[in-house]
Amino acid sequence: AQKVTQAQTEISVVEKEDVTLDCVYETRDTTYYLFWYKQPPSGELVFLIRRNSFDEQNEISGRYSWNFQKSTSSFNFTITASQVVDSAVYFCALTGTVSLGQGGKLIFGQGTELSVKP
Amino acid sequence: GAGVSQSPSNKVTEKGKDVELRCDPISGHTALYWYRQSLGQGLEFLIYFQGNSAPDKSGLPSDRFSAERTGGSVSTLTIQRTQQEDSAVYLCASSSSTAGYSNQPQHFGDGTRLSIL
Repeated sequence: AQKVTQAQTEISVVEKEDVTLDCVYETRDTTYYLFWYKQPPSGELVFLIRRNSFDEQNEISGRYSWNFQKSTSSFNFTITASQVVDSAVYFCALTGTVSLGQGGKLIFGQGTELSVKP
Repeated sequence: GAGVSQSPSNKVTEKGKDVELRCDPISGHTALYWYRQSLGQGLEFLIYFQGNSAPDKSGLPSDRFSAERTGGSVSTLTIQRTQQEDSAVYLCASSSSTAGYSNQPQHFGDGTRLSIL
């Protein structure tokens, strides 16, 4: 069975601090995909990044970076120099390969609520 | 449209009534998904469409829930004889994923907040 665990329910930081959101996953698939989504107070889920299981290169996008480690089944997300606008709930998600019967449904973690205070 | 559109944005109804929730996916996206978000259960998958077919209905919680998709575009999620535990935000997502190709990101609508009195 597939499972995603985000152990941090809530994190509170002060603006300009760096913060890392943890994500640990379980799957028996050899090919799988990992995602991070942001859900601001407005409610819409915003796609941030997709990673496939064959690509372990870390990725950086502006103040955001992602560390994918298959050896520890982790896909952690770091925000550098956090800002108030980063306040949101962040979800890590996992899916298998799309096939005729499997549509790539997302298995979500419980989410981490990040609060960035000025 | 540019994004996934859902209507209504809010729906309040009495227990026992039927409700219909609508999703208009991103143009050209053949894959469409319904999820439910509630405080106790987090984000849960309900059903997946590829075109007008629904090869994965494994997340529908009971036979009171059904969904259809017509013309490979708009989808309707119907809940019959609503119960208080059906109260949640119902989210629709679409993607360009098809069988045999890498999973493309799912793009979500703003959701329908359903409240059962």
